[in-house]
Amino acid sequence: EPEVTQTPSHQVTQMGQEVILRCVPISNHLYFYWYRQILGQKVEFLVSFYNNEISEKSEIFDDQFSVERPDGSNFTLKIRSTKLEDSAMYFCASSVRTGNGYTFGSGTRLTIV
Amino acid sequence: GEDVEQSLFLSVREGDSSVINCTYTDSSSTYLYWYKQEPGAGLQLLTYIFSNMDMKQDQRLTVLLNKKDKHLSLRIADTQTGDSAIYFCAETQGNTDKLIFGTGTRLQVFP
Repeated sequence: EPEVTQTPSHQVTQMGQEVILRCVPISNHLYFYWYRQILGQKVEFLVSFYNNEISEKSEIFDDQFSVERPDGSNFTLKIRSTKLEDSAMYFCASSVRTGNGYTFGSGTRLTIV
Repeated sequence: GEDVEQSLFLSVREGDSSVINCTYTDSSSTYLYWYKQEPGAGLQLLTYIFSNMDMKQDQRLTVLLNKKDKHLSLRIADTQTGDSAIYFCAETQGNTDKLIFGTGTRLQVFP
């Protein structure tokens, strides 16, 4: 069964540094997403991406965050000047079209120290 | 508004049925989903239902939607120890495709 692949599975970064989280969506999917889950809290929407541009973003997704699809397969989330409160599990997801369910990756656990 | 609520814990005996409940507040919900998260793993889509449906059955899973009460439930028949996980309901609203997740229900199955 096709999978969404995320790397690394665990990332430890010093506060103030930049981090890039990587995702390889399912190959025929057109819609891409990032979500995050702070420990013990709800899964929260960050951003959706379609046709090489952001289609929707949440209040969390401020200027500190950016997304990119640098080639035909990868989808990245960059976090600049990381803060302690950015520590969370970050999930990438993709779908072939909206509404019929999203396939999530297994997540990257980001720890800011 | 965006608010999806679930009870935090459910404990059932192996072989019994489990019913996980979810309430939401936005009447413009279009699709409603159930995801399963096992320890250290990602979010696995179990099933989803369109808001104009009342029920959907898929093998051991039955989803019931009461749109009037804004209540969604997931029934797992013949619950197994492998069903132990956190279950999230989620919805999409109106013309947006972002998912609004519930708080998650931790299901524990004991022998």
